[in-house]
Amino acid sequence: ETGVTQSPTHLIKTRGQQVTLRCSSQSGHNTVSWYQQALGQGPQFIFQYYREEENGRGNFPPRFSGLQFPNYSSELNVNALELDDSALYLCASSDYRGVSGYTFGSGTRLTVV
Amino acid sequence: AQSVTQLDSHVSVSEGTPVLLRCNYSSSYSPSLFWYVQHPNKGLQLLLKYTSAATLVKGINGFEAEFKKSETSFHLTKPSAHMSDAAEYFCVVRPPNDYKLSFGAGTTVTVRA
Repeated sequence: ETGVTQSPTHLIKTRGQQVTLRCSSQSGHNTVSWYQQALGQGPQFIFQYYREEENGRGNFPPRFSGLQFPNYSSELNVNALELDDSALYLCASSDYRGVSGYTFGSGTRLTVV
Repeated sequence: AQSVTQLDSHVSVSEGTPVLLRCNYSSSYSPSLFWYVQHPNKGLQLLLKYTSAATLVKGINGFEAEFKKSETSFHLTKPSAHMSDAAEYFCVVRPPNDYKLSFGAGTTVTVRA
């Protein structure tokens, strides 16, 4: 059973730039969710992808977008980076609706300067 | 709407003494409840989950939690803390027929030798 791998582990970007974060999916899982964890806070739901389509979104602006690929891996894209986007970005893979649980990656630490 | 309140932002215990992490939730329906642990520079690891079966849930590493519907609580306990238990702990709620996890703000546990 493979885990969830996120890349890169750390990233520094300048305000206004664009960033792409990547996440593999655990074997047997077909759904990927993304969360933003600001310093000292709990993770906040960004969106979820199932069968290559977004099927749920939290309170994040459209400059946060994503993709899911046929192998169920996923990307998170953030355009026009702002200083407040600095956070740990976590992805979680699961079956649909998380019936058998969620497997989280170790996250990507994004710093916007 | 669902929300989670972790009543303690920081808990400090001596090694070998009990640990209690308090969590209250609000939900219109009977939710699924989880406790996750996050060690520094690591992803989130599931400790245990409640999904409307037994109200006392046993998890990994000696942790357990009791679901009390009348008190809308899901407190996490461990009889004897170990140094390796030092980490951030998150109480998480997921409403039925939903996919989105809502996290509490987290409780930082430190263990004194």
